[in-house]
Amino acid sequence: NAGVTQTPKFQVLKTGQSMTLQCAQDMNHNSMYWYRQDPGMGLRLIYYSASEGTTDKGEVPNGYNVSRLNKREFSLRLESAAPSQTSVYFCASRIGDTHSSPLHFGNGTRLTVT
Amino acid sequence: AQSVTQPDIHITVSEGASLELRCNYSYGATPYLFWYVQSPGQGLQLLLKYFSGDTLVQGIKGFEAEFKRSQSSFNLRKPSVHWSDAAEYFCAVAHSGNTPLVFGKGTRLSVIA
Repeated sequence: NAGVTQTPKFQVLKTGQSMTLQCAQDMNHNSMYWYRQDPGMGLRLIYYSASEGTTDKGEVPNGYNVSRLNKREFSLRLESAAPSQTSVYFCASRIGDTHSSPLHFGNGTRLTVT
Repeated sequence: AQSVTQPDIHITVSEGASLELRCNYSYGATPYLFWYVQSPGQGLQLLLKYFSGDTLVQGIKGFEAEFKRSQSSFNLRKPSVHWSDAAEYFCAVAHSGNTPLVFGKGTRLSVIA
């Protein structure tokens, strides 16, 4: 089972460039999430999608947009990258939208913005 | 808003020694509580969770955690640590069944021989 797959694994951008981080899950999960992880900060929620066709802001949404393309895929877009967006980005999914079902995480995308 | 505090940034224990990682939360009612583990270069994996009922919960890999309402704590324990337990551990809280998780800043565990 692939689980949650994130691409790319690593990316270097220059300030002002744009890019899309891809996330796909093959577990037929309804809810999908994007987190960023920074040293000493833990994980912070950027955006989430409780079900196909819906998206909601999390704790740190500024500078990001998301698309729930279909049930499997949830992409995160940086329109104009800034050095403050240097981070490790994790996608996660779960079958329901409540905590009775556990979150499944991808292995992360390490993004550096110079 | 709820918050989660993990007071210890880094802990080092000897292999075979016992372990306790601390977690405190701030929220009026009983929240949903979780512990996750992250190995280097990997995503997070759920160790255990507490919603209600028995305040001592068992998880995977021999870990357990105890919910103490009076102390607003949910500390993670393991009686005998193995070298493979070296990782970063995150406590997380949600105040209801469908609200997003809020994570603590993590505790890095090192295991020495």
